[in-house]
Amino acid sequence: DQQVKQNSPSLSVQEGRISILNCDYTNSMFDYFLWYKKYPAEGPTFLISISSIKDKNEDGRFTVFLNKSAKHLSLHIVPSQPGDSAVYFCAASARVNYGGATNKLIFGTGTLLAVQP
Amino acid sequence: GAVVSQHPSRVICKSGTSVKIECRSLDFQATTMFWYRQFPKQSLMLMATSNEGSKATYEQGVEKDKFLINHASLTLSTLTVTSAHPEDSSFYICSARLLGQEPSYNSPLHFGNGTRLTVT
Repeated sequence: DQQVKQNSPSLSVQEGRISILNCDYTNSMFDYFLWYKKYPAEGPTFLISISSIKDKNEDGRFTVFLNKSAKHLSLHIVPSQPGDSAVYFCAASARVNYGGATNKLIFGTGTLLAVQP
Repeated sequence: GAVVSQHPSRVICKSGTSVKIECRSLDFQATTMFWYRQFPKQSLMLMATSNEGSKATYEQGVEKDKFLINHASLTLSTLTVTSAHPEDSSFYICSARLLGQEPSYNSPLHFGNGTRLTVT
């Protein structure tokens, strides 16, 4: 039961253009969402997050949008740079006791972003 | 920033042996650490939540007798894969939250660099 889904396994974008990575979730108890970036053979690095009380959070070139009614969030990277090439995971958590344990992060399957010079 | 160190980064072992993976928070204390597993081209799957001074909480389907977790201090958690089999070959990653970071549910996790386990 994949509660956090990233339906695009890969995305290729030209340098300087916008990268849009999408994520959908099914569990309405999720109220906090995070994006992580991961290089091969390394652990994920936290990028940006958003609370369910907001619909947008921006940090430099990275902006996350949340559409609660659609249970959808997206990460925009603009302008994209070759160094952004990595796997991007979205993750969700819930404030309340969820599935027997609190504070769990549930990850999506990841999207491999390739930024072409 | 908060640094999580995981050791070893890569290990090859023979079927039937046990392997211990260490996860240390280098510059902060963590009451809770999380152990994840990642199969090729798949998501990070939470295996267990490691709590300092108490028993770990395992996710459904994870054998606690096979994946032994010990969280002996506020800076160290270990995962021991006992009687390893080839199907245990995977990428194991630990993560931690800063002690006292509240509310903890929305505090980002800090991840180690992972351990690539290959069981032959």
